[in-house]
Amino acid sequence: AQSVTQLDSQVPVFEEAPVELRCNYSSSVSVYLFWYVQYPNQGLQLLLKYLSGSTLVESINGFEAEFNKSQTSFHLRKPSVHISDTAEYFCAVTRTGTASKLTFGTGTRLQVTL
Amino acid sequence: DTGVSQDPRHKITKRGQNVTFRCDPISEHNRLYWYRQTLGQGPEFLTYFQNEAQLEKSRLLSDRFSAERPKGSFSTLEIQRTEQGDSAMYLCASSFRGQGNRGTEAFFGQGTRLTVV
Repeated sequence: AQSVTQLDSQVPVFEEAPVELRCNYSSSVSVYLFWYVQYPNQGLQLLLKYLSGSTLVESINGFEAEFNKSQTSFHLRKPSVHISDTAEYFCAVTRTGTASKLTFGTGTRLQVTL
Repeated sequence: DTGVSQDPRHKITKRGQNVTFRCDPISEHNRLYWYRQTLGQGPEFLTYFQNEAQLEKSRLLSDRFSAERPKGSFSTLEIQRTEQGDSAMYLCASSFRGQGNRGTEAFFGQGTRLTVV
């Protein structure tokens, strides 16, 4: 079985400041890793994913995450946040191969203020 | 394609009533998933289908819950004799899984928010 830990339930940050949202996972098998974003009363939207290859993955809106196998981490970063980045961010994992269900962390609320 | 569609978006029901939710996946997707999300938590897996076959069910899916995907297209999730603890957002997702590791990630609908009073 897999598990995901998001240690920070809330991260307040000023606009244009950098941010890091932490994600650690536990698994006895190889995994795929994902970050999803959820705006209020909405479903989840995929932000970025790690399947294989380069350990640094990027999204189209400036977020990036780095897969670190030795530390079992997949932290999400953005060098300069915008007010519109305010949302709930979920880290998720699924086993490779069959890649069926996702196991999610409890989420991190990113609150960007002026 | 408009993505994964869920209906209704909101449902308020009295305790003890039955409710049914519908999910229409992305048309070429062969996998369909149901998750439940309570306030302040991440989504929790309930069950998933590959085509019309229900391949896995979580222990969260009590005997009051039943899911179907009769023709391998849309799916329904029914909750019988609802309880206040069933109040949550019910999320549907779909993906495509082909031979080997070919496939897509899961795409989520906007969810059905259930309130049991």
